[in-house]
Amino acid sequence: VRLVESGGVLVQPGGSLRLSCAASGFTFDDYTMHWVRQAPGKGLERVSTISWDGADTYYGDSVTGRFTISRDNKKNSLYLQMNSLRIEDSALYYCAKDFGSGNYFDYWGPGTLVTVSS
Amino acid sequence: DIQMTQSPSTLSASVGDRVTITCRASQSISTWLAWYQQKPGKAPKLLIYKASNLESGVPSRFSGSGSGTEFTLTISSLQPDDFATYFCHQYHAYPIYTFGQGTKLEIK
Repeated sequence: VRLVESGGVLVQPGGSLRLSCAASGFTFDDYTMHWVRQAPGKGLERVSTISWDGADTYYGDSVTGRFTISRDNKKNSLYLQMNSLRIEDSALYYCAKDFGSGNYFDYWGPGTLVTVSS
Repeated sequence: DIQMTQSPSTLSASVGDRVTITCRASQSISTWLAWYQQKPGKAPKLLIYKASNLESGVPSRFSGSGSGTEFTLTISSLQPDDFATYFCHQYHAYPIYTFGQGTKLEIK
């Protein structure tokens, strides 16, 4: 199993960004997927979750209405569209694979760093 | 939302020590709890799932126990590679997942 995130950059407050996660080594469209973030020196926060078919999506309270999770099962890819970015969104963003659906996270990518600053 | 509280926040120990980290849930989560190890600059690594099941490839010195609201992660004999931060994670309340704040295990 391999998960590789990309797209993290320095962006100004109010800006937008799209993160990607390329998945390989497993049948991508069998599994729920997640985005989890970690601010520097802080704990883990689940940002968003998407079901295997993309039909069900869930968001943490801090990002609801600003972030959109999506997936392309033909491309084995997971995405996070981030709009109206705030300084407090600065973090390392991880893509994580669910063991099944609504389960623990058995594989994580190395993360991509998002910095929101003027 | 279910709150997860880990203790201690920091733990100083020596190679060979037996250590225990506790995670308490604000309401019952049955055994829907996982433990992860994270080293600096690295992604979390799954150690334990469903409170007491050891993930494949994880050394047997790691063990988990508990149910309901109180859980423990025990390392029976600390090795140099074990100094890291450990997080608990409840997945009972899908789709609302929460993590503990982490326990940093330091060399004494």
